Amino acid sequence: DTEVTQTPKHLVMGMTNKKSLKCEQHMGHRAMYWYKQKAKKPPELMFVYSYEKLSINESVPSRFSPECPNSSLLNLHLHALQPEDSALYLCASSQAGGASTEAFFGQGTRLTVV
Amino acid sequence: AQKITQTQPGMFVQEKEAVTLDCTYDTSDPSYGLFWYKQPSSGEMIFLIYQGSYDQQNATEGRYSLNFQKARKSANLVISASQLGDSAMYFCAMRESAGANSKLTFGKGITLSVRP
Repeated sequence: DTEVTQTPKHLVMGMTNKKSLKCEQHMGHRAMYWYKQKAKKPPELMFVYSYEKLSINESVPSRFSPECPNSSLLNLHLHALQPEDSALYLCASSQAGGASTEAFFGQGTRLTVV
Repeated sequence: AQKITQTQPGMFVQEKEAVTLDCTYDTSDPSYGLFWYKQPSSGEMIFLIYQGSYDQQNATEGRYSLNFQKARKSANLVISASQLGDSAMYFCAMRESAGANSKLTFGKGITLSVRP
């Protein structure tokens, strides 16, 4: 099973809403990632969790709050977002450490902030 | 400084022909990995092929091969016998050896269109 599952696939939310994106993998990977991707642009790293601990935060605004409840799950809590936060949010997982580990991505959540 | 460079504009290829997508990279780390991903319009990033900095041979995976020229710091993707389903955006990416916190850094991508 090389699958990373993201829910929901599509999300429309108002600027005052609170919502969460979910990501799940069962490959035994101990590194999990959130990326943000605008149309026709490369993915931009937001957060990295390694062994369930936040190891990288790429200066992401606090209206994005990640959480890793266990080694299989990764959440991204959203609050008071802006329209410019509309994007495709990709979750990925990989084995932790080393330069040779490929990352497996989910299908993404297409987020629209209205 | 940009670590991964993909400068080709949108690429077009005739079905059943081969196509090369260019990628150059910049790193001072002797240990690194190079990856190619395909992203169809559905959004999923699909891993295609990996090349390690110490690998002596070019990587191959089915119709995909990687033309790795270490001295030139290039890692071009070759797709043989193109199919209509190959139409997508293609990203070159690099991971440097930095322990458990190594990042996967992407180039800006190339759009490939396969013509019937």
